[in-house]
Amino acid sequence: VQLLQSGGGLIEPGGSLRLYCAASGFKFSGYAMTWVRQAPGKGLEWVSTVSNDDTTHYADSVRGRFTVSRDKSKNMLYLQMNSLRGEDTAFYYCAKDAAVAGFDYWGQGILVTVSS
Amino acid sequence: DIQLTQSPSFLSASVGDRVTITCRASQGISSHLAWYQKKPGTAPKLLIYAASALQSGVPSRFSGSGSETEFTLTITSLQSEDFAEYYCQQLNSFPLTFGGGTKVE
Repeated sequence: VQLLQSGGGLIEPGGSLRLYCAASGFKFSGYAMTWVRQAPGKGLEWVSTVSNDDTTHYADSVRGRFTVSRDKSKNMLYLQMNSLRGEDTAFYYCAKDAAVAGFDYWGQGILVTVSS
Repeated sequence: DIQLTQSPSFLSASVGDRVTITCRASQGISSHLAWYQKKPGTAPKLLIYAASALQSGVPSRFSGSGSETEFTLTITSLQSEDFAEYYCQQLNSFPLTFGGGTKVE
């Protein structure tokens, strides 16, 4: 199992950024996928989940600004982040979601910095 | 939303010590709880799922117990590589939530 992330970087407040997570080594279409973030000096925060039936869930802090999606034909997970704020600055991780068995595989993480 | 309260927030320990971390849920979550280890610069690592099931490849010195609202992670005989932050997470209902973390130093 491998989850390879890309797409982070420095963005000004109010801007948009898209994160990518390329999955391999497992049946991507059969699992939910999740985004988790960790702001500098803070704890882990669940951001969003897309279920294997494409149902989506969001934390209140990002609902209406972030959109999670997946392309099962490409084994790709995405996080579209709009109207970015300083408090969105964090390392973002994608994870394979085994439901009540936890998040068993993680991407390497990618830094998003929102600053002018 | 389900709140998870971890204690202690910081724990000073030595190699060989037995370490216990507690996680309390604001409402019953059955056994839908996981524990993760987080080291700086690396992704979180799943240690325990379903409150007490050891993730494949995780050393047997790690164990979990509890149900509904009270859970514990125990490390018997702490090793040097175990100095890290530990987080509990509830997987019972959305929004999924993490505890505030415990730093073992």
